Amino acid sequence: QQQVKQSPQSLIVQKGGISIINCAYENTAFDYFPWYQQFPGKGPALLIAIRPDVSEKKEGRFTISFNKSAKQFSLHIMDSQPGDSATYFCAASKSTSGTYKYIFGTGTRLKVLA
Amino acid sequence: EAQVTQNPRYLITVTGKKLTVTCSQNMNHEYMSWYRQDPGLGLRQIYYSMNVEVTDKGDVPEGYKVSRKEKRNFPLILESPSPNQTSLYFCASSFPAGGTDTQYFGPGTRLTVL
Repeated sequence: QQQVKQSPQSLIVQKGGISIINCAYENTAFDYFPWYQQFPGKGPALLIAIRPDVSEKKEGRFTISFNKSAKQFSLHIMDSQPGDSATYFCAASKSTSGTYKYIFGTGTRLKVLA
Repeated sequence: EAQVTQNPRYLITVTGKKLTVTCSQNMNHEYMSWYRQDPGLGLRQIYYSMNVEVTDKGDVPEGYKVSRKEKRNFPLILESPSPNQTSLYFCASSFPAGGTDTQYFGPGTRLTVL
């Protein structure tokens, strides 16, 4: 299976709260899991990424939690700010015969209320 | 300034009229890719290229062609556009070749096929 299932589709969080976005995959050949952030009218930009040999990666207020056995990974945004309001995409990629394909989730629209 | 540029940014065309969307990067990246973004479907990979003269299909290649004659350029060709190709298109690049490095996205091309 090539899909990456992302939830929720939309999320509203109060300023200072924690935003959590979840993704699940089926193909165990995936070996790289990035999260992208997209503001309206802009292209996506890499936020944070993880390899399956670690269970957690933190960069500032952003943390990826990775559960290899459950084939799930999630993005946690601590102390959410109105400037975090954007669409977030999880993704997964794999190496097949030395080439790389990317599979993206369907996106989560996050709104942080001031 | 390191960037991925796409032209045109907006295009309205009619069914069957061949068009080309150009993509250029100035970062000497080996990997380049095209995506389409549709509401509720997220980003879907159309084609990607590991290097000059090396291209491969993504998940939704039907109706599209690409070429990689120079490292910096990766044009997307729609030889006979149809209304179902109305979408927002993004070009991206990364270095070195592979799925474990940051993909830099262009600003997007909004295509409408009437």
